[in-house]
Amino acid sequence: AQKITQTQPGMFVQEKEAVTLDCTYDTSDPSYGLFWYKQPSSGEMIFLIYQGSYDQQNATEGRYSLNFQKARKSANLVISASQLGDSAMYFCAMREPYGGSQGNLIFGKGTKLSVKP
Amino acid sequence: ETGVTQTPRHLVMGMTNKKSLKCEQHLGHNAMYWYKQSAKKPLELMFVYSLEERVENNSVPSRFSPECPNSSHLFLHLHTLQPEDSALYLCASSHTSQGAGGYTFGSGTRLTVV
Repeated sequence: AQKITQTQPGMFVQEKEAVTLDCTYDTSDPSYGLFWYKQPSSGEMIFLIYQGSYDQQNATEGRYSLNFQKARKSANLVISASQLGDSAMYFCAMREPYGGSQGNLIFGKGTKLSVKP
Repeated sequence: ETGVTQTPRHLVMGMTNKKSLKCEQHLGHNAMYWYKQSAKKPLELMFVYSLEERVENNSVPSRFSPECPNSSHLFLHLHTLQPEDSALYLCASSHTSQGAGGYTFGSGTRLTVV
């Protein structure tokens, strides 16, 4: 079973508008971390934002915010005021600190975001 | 430049060749990782080194052989690869294999096996 599910293979957004990229996760650990990464065509994975499972408030980093709904096990990324440079693949990832994964990152399949001028 | 440097950026090799991928970080991290990214598949964790010791090997074929001589360097030795091994190989590092904080990734090596 997939641990990280990103249901949107591709998304389009108009420049300067906001966009939400969906991510749901599955874990039985009470302690975990959720990450979003951006991967432009150059291949580099760029860390965007982190949400810990015990964090009371939603994480924000500049134009990025994470809509964390723990009961629904969702961690959607919201990008406000989209820019052309935001066009890239976006990956949601989870780290479980215990068990066989040894705290390693598990990635979703990604969402390709295209920003239209 | 993220602080994690991977070389080469691109590599084309025949199935009988032997080559090595290199990863270097000077961020003071003590855990390093190799991930494989194939088209239309999630990133797959291949190897984890924490404090220079391998802590996880996700059943990767023996034609991939990692080496971590110190906390700053990580290698992936390749031999007798198959065409399906063509992919983007990403190296990452973090402070430990547990705890908060993000991983820092390199730009990857795009490998083509012919």
